[in-house]
Amino acid sequence: EAGVVQSPRYKIIEKKQPVAFWCNPISGHNTLYWYLQNLGQGPELLIRYENEEAVDDSQLPKDRFSAERLKGVDSTLKIQPAELGDSAVYLCASSLDHNNEQFFGPGTRLTVL
Amino acid sequence: AQTVTQSQPEMSVQEAETVTLSCTYDTSESDYYLFWYKQPPSRQMILVIRQEAYKQQNATENRFSVNFQKAAKSFSLKISDSQLGDAAMYFCAYSYSNTGKLIFGQGTTLQVKP
Repeated sequence: EAGVVQSPRYKIIEKKQPVAFWCNPISGHNTLYWYLQNLGQGPELLIRYENEEAVDDSQLPKDRFSAERLKGVDSTLKIQPAELGDSAVYLCASSLDHNNEQFFGPGTRLTVL
Repeated sequence: AQTVTQSQPEMSVQEAETVTLSCTYDTSESDYYLFWYKQPPSRQMILVIRQEAYKQQNATENRFSVNFQKAAKSFSLKISDSQLGDAAMYFCAYSYSNTGKLIFGQGTTLQVKP
């Protein structure tokens, strides 16, 4: 069974440019999470989806970050415009539901110059 | 607010020896879950072990076991017979029931020496 797929694995952009990350969860997983992981720190939840509904986006900086999960499967996280401080690893995870084990993808490492 | 603290930024252990990683947490909830995750240099986070707060018995998974002290809000991970493949960053995490939200500690980098 395929795990959580994320692309791209690495992205380098100049500040003020837009960037998007894509996540394909494990088939059948209704819950999808986006986490931000700064270097040397633990991940922090940005947003959680139950199917196509964002049920917890309290940590998402809505002035520049947006996310969507059309049809309750794949998800896209966007930053526009990117700032230097956005350099980090963006992790996607999925689970059958919010009471089950979360499976993580390999992450996208973003570098903003 | 719930917090998770890992006070050991780095630990090292000799291959085949035992090592214990520490974790403390703060919560006012009575129903919650605690986890240890492993993140090798490739960055794919893997669940090592999970403990339900209502269970008094400490969870074990092969060479991995926890010492869960609910009153002290302590949740340490013991790795027995350490192997080179155990080298990774280890994160302690907390989840409040029915939220699915994981709150992670700062992580402990474990080095395994041959």
